Amino acid sequence: AQSVTQPDIHITVSEGASLELRCNYSYGATPYLFWYVQSPGQGLQLLLKYFSGDTLVQGIKGFEAEFKRSQSSFNLRKPSVHWSDAAEYFCAVVAGGYGQNFVFGPGTRLSVLP
Amino acid sequence: GAVVSQHPSWVICKSGTSVKIECRSLDFQATTMFWYRQFPKQSLMLMATSNEGSKATYEQGVEKDKFLINHASLTLSTLTVTSAHPEDSSFYICSASVGLARGNEQFFGPGTRLTVL
Repeated sequence: AQSVTQPDIHITVSEGASLELRCNYSYGATPYLFWYVQSPGQGLQLLLKYFSGDTLVQGIKGFEAEFKRSQSSFNLRKPSVHWSDAAEYFCAVVAGGYGQNFVFGPGTRLSVLP
Repeated sequence: GAVVSQHPSWVICKSGTSVKIECRSLDFQATTMFWYRQFPKQSLMLMATSNEGSKATYEQGVEKDKFLINHASLTLSTLTVTSAHPEDSSFYICSASVGLARGNEQFFGPGTRLTVL
């Protein structure tokens, strides 16, 4: 069965510093990969997604992610973090076949220091 | 665009009562809606998938008689937690999608926090 791991439960960075959130997936074929952000008390917002093609994907709010098949990874990056980026970040995978069986990772909580 | 709302955002109920949560797609017609459950500091777990006009498909381990899902229109799905107990306390999130194609984006609601006393 497919699974998603996010090794870092909580990350703290200073405002203006760069950020990388790790995501590893387990799936036999090429998955559909997503990154979502959840602010406190709010729903999830899609940051970016990867289906095929260019392995470096640009998203909203200055985020990007790189799909690396050899490492089964889909890490999220941002060159300069803003205080408003503090939130919970979820990596998700949709496996093959018909349907949208989203499997979410456990999430990484990002704190931003002023 | 693509806004999904949930009502109520927060509900407290007594053990043994039933609670209904509404999920609405405000500016698009959602042929498919999903219900997730999120425990504190944990990830989202898919409970069920519902298509408008048909019975919901429940994930393994989810009691369909306890979590009643109705998707009567293209803009509204409801989740009823019947005979709620304290262990049902959780954050319930719905999402909506146009179709079930693998790459279709799901738009998420803000969630409903259920506390059962």
